[in-house]
Amino acid sequence: AQSVTQPDIHITVSEGASLELRCNYSYGATPYLFWYVQSPGQGLQLLLKYFSGDTLVQGIKGFEAEFKRSQSSFNLRKPSVHWSDAAEYFCAVGLQTGANNLFFGTGTRLTVIP
Amino acid sequence: NAGVMQNPRHLVRRRGQEARLRCSPMKGHSHVYWYRQLPEEGLKFMVYLQKENIIDESGMPKERFSAEFPKEGPSILRIQQVVRGDSAAYFCASSPPVGAGTDTQYFGPGTRLTVL
Repeated sequence: AQSVTQPDIHITVSEGASLELRCNYSYGATPYLFWYVQSPGQGLQLLLKYFSGDTLVQGIKGFEAEFKRSQSSFNLRKPSVHWSDAAEYFCAVGLQTGANNLFFGTGTRLTVIP
Repeated sequence: NAGVMQNPRHLVRRRGQEARLRCSPMKGHSHVYWYRQLPEEGLKFMVYLQKENIIDESGMPKERFSAEFPKEGPSILRIQQVVRGDSAAYFCASSPPVGAGTDTQYFGPGTRLTVL
């Protein structure tokens, strides 16, 4: 069965510091990969996605993510965090064949301190 | 171009009442998905619909839950005889028709259901 693991429940970083959020998936083939961000009381906003091709993808708000097939990972990075980046981040997996639904990780809550 | 619209944003029901959640997809989108988010958890898929068709309801509870996406009007998620365990945020997502980036889902702001 497909699964998505976000091992860090809560991360705290200082404003201006770099950030890396981890995501690992379990699936027999290369899936579609997504990162979404959710601000408190809000819906999910798509940050970036990977379907195929270049394994380093650029997203909005200065975020990027790298797909590493050998590690079944799709970690999200940002070189310099801003206070407005404080939110919940979700990694999601979609299948290239079959079901159209997304499988979500349990999320990583990011706190940014001044 | 308006995004995915959901209403109401907040809904309070007493045990045993019915909850009806509405979702209007983005313009030009014909695929709708419903997800449920329990407190401190990620989103869990419930159902995938196209106009007038349920394509995949493998994530829907067998009883009390139903969904529709009529030819005209929004998609509706209905929960009958609500119980406290139904309290959650319910998110709708939509995607374009097949062949037009169908694999990217765009989410609405959610409906937060509280069952007293």
